[in-house]
Amino acid sequence: DTEVTQTPKHLVMGMTNKKSLKCEQHMGHRAMYWYKQKAKKPPELMFVYSYEKLSINESVPSRFSPECPNSSLLNLHLHALQPEDSALYLCASSRSETGMGAFFGQGTRLTVV
Amino acid sequence: GENVGLHLPTLSVQEGDNSIINCAYSNSASDYFIWYKQESGKGPQFIIDIRSNMDKRQGQRVTVLLNKTVKHLSLQIAATQPGDSAVYFCAENNNQGGKLIFGQGTELSVKP
Repeated sequence: DTEVTQTPKHLVMGMTNKKSLKCEQHMGHRAMYWYKQKAKKPPELMFVYSYEKLSINESVPSRFSPECPNSSLLNLHLHALQPEDSALYLCASSRSETGMGAFFGQGTRLTVV
Repeated sequence: GENVGLHLPTLSVQEGDNSIINCAYSNSASDYFIWYKQESGKGPQFIIDIRSNMDKRQGQRVTVLLNKTVKHLSLQIAATQPGDSAVYFCAENNNQGGKLIFGQGTELSVKP
C-alpha cells in the first residue's frame, strides 16, 4: 500500500463554519505534512509532524489547526476561514522527517464562500 | 502578495522526442531532491529522487541529473508520450528538518 488517502475530495464551507480535513497512510511513515497549493503555483509547506509531534509550523494562521491522533492519521481543523484560503490542500507522508520518498495524497479542493 | 498573471514556464515537445526539464535550486546545503509530476486536479506523483552524493540517477524512461556546482537539477524523459503531459516540480530538502521546498514548476505539453 503506497497510498495517502485524503477526505473529502471537495469541500465548500462558509466563513463561519468549522470543518476538518483528514489524511491517512498505512506505509509506516513517521512524518506527515500539510501543504497548501493555489492554482498554477507550487505546493507551500504548512505543517510537519514527526513521530506524531508538531515539528514545523510555517507561521500558519491559527484558523488552521493540525492534529495527529496517531502515526497513521493527520487532521487539519478549519475555523473562520477567509475566501483567500480557497485552495488545494495536500497531505504527504515520508519515512522520516528528512522528506525522503515523500508521497502525496490527491488533495482536498477547498472553497470558502 | 500573489503575482497575478504569472504563468508557469511551458515546454512543448512532439510525441516520441526526449524532454528535458530544468530546475535551479537555491540552498547549497540541500542534500536530497525529488521530481514530481502533477496532473490537473491531482496531487503530486513521485517520479524519481536523488541524493546530493550522486550526479545521476536513472529510472524507467526518466533520468535525473544533479550539478551541485551550479545548483541545477534536470529531469530527462525519453520518448515522451501524451500521458507525460503535466506540470513537473522539483523539490529540495534544505536540511531544515522536513522542509521539502518546491520549485515553481514547468508545464510539459506533448503534441501527438
